[in-house]
Amino acid sequence: EAGVTQSPTHLIKTRGQQATLRCSPISGHTSVYWYQQALGLGLQFLLWYDEGEERNRGNFPPRFSGRQFPNYSSELNVNALELEDSALYLCASSLGVSSLSGNTIYFGEGSWLTVV
Amino acid sequence: AQKITQTQPGMFVQEKEAVTLDCTYDTSDPSYGLFWYKQPSSGEMIFLIYQGSYDQQNATEGRYSLNFQKARKSANLVISASQLGDSAMYFCAMREVVNSGGGADGLTFGKGTHLIIQP
Repeated sequence: EAGVTQSPTHLIKTRGQQATLRCSPISGHTSVYWYQQALGLGLQFLLWYDEGEERNRGNFPPRFSGRQFPNYSSELNVNALELEDSALYLCASSLGVSSLSGNTIYFGEGSWLTVV
Repeated sequence: AQKITQTQPGMFVQEKEAVTLDCTYDTSDPSYGLFWYKQPSSGEMIFLIYQGSYDQQNATEGRYSLNFQKARKSANLVISASQLGDSAMYFCAMREVVNSGGGADGLTFGKGTHLIIQP
């Protein structure tokens, strides 16, 4: 069974441009999470989608946005890129919001975004 | 206050020795889950083990076990018979039931421990 898949693996953009990252969850998972892992800052929660709705977002500016499609895949958009947006962006999935806190969250291999 | 505290930024361990990675957490929620993940240099976050707040027994998964001490709010990861391939970053994480709908939010991560296994 396929795990969480992310694309692209690597992305280089210039400051001010927009980046789009994509994620396909594990089959049967309806929740998708996005995390940013910048050097020296650890993993920061970005967004959580379930059943097509945004359930929660972390402390990030509005230029970080996303959506979840009917097939539960998701994309993360980062507008007006800044140098400090350079990071590993990790997508994860789990069973949905109606389930308990014990639902394991499985991660993809991440997308490395470099802003120059 | 930090919700997840990992006090060991780095550890060096001899191959085949047991390793204990520390994790303490802070929550007022009676229902929560505790997770450990391994992150090799490639970047992928690999799920290792899960412990629920209501679980009576400590979780075990192969060479991994979780020493859960609820009163101390401690959830240490124990790796038995360490191997060179265990060298990686290890993250402790917690999931609480926080939203008004009663569902579980995403994970809050600690800052991680960089484990290096020496031959």
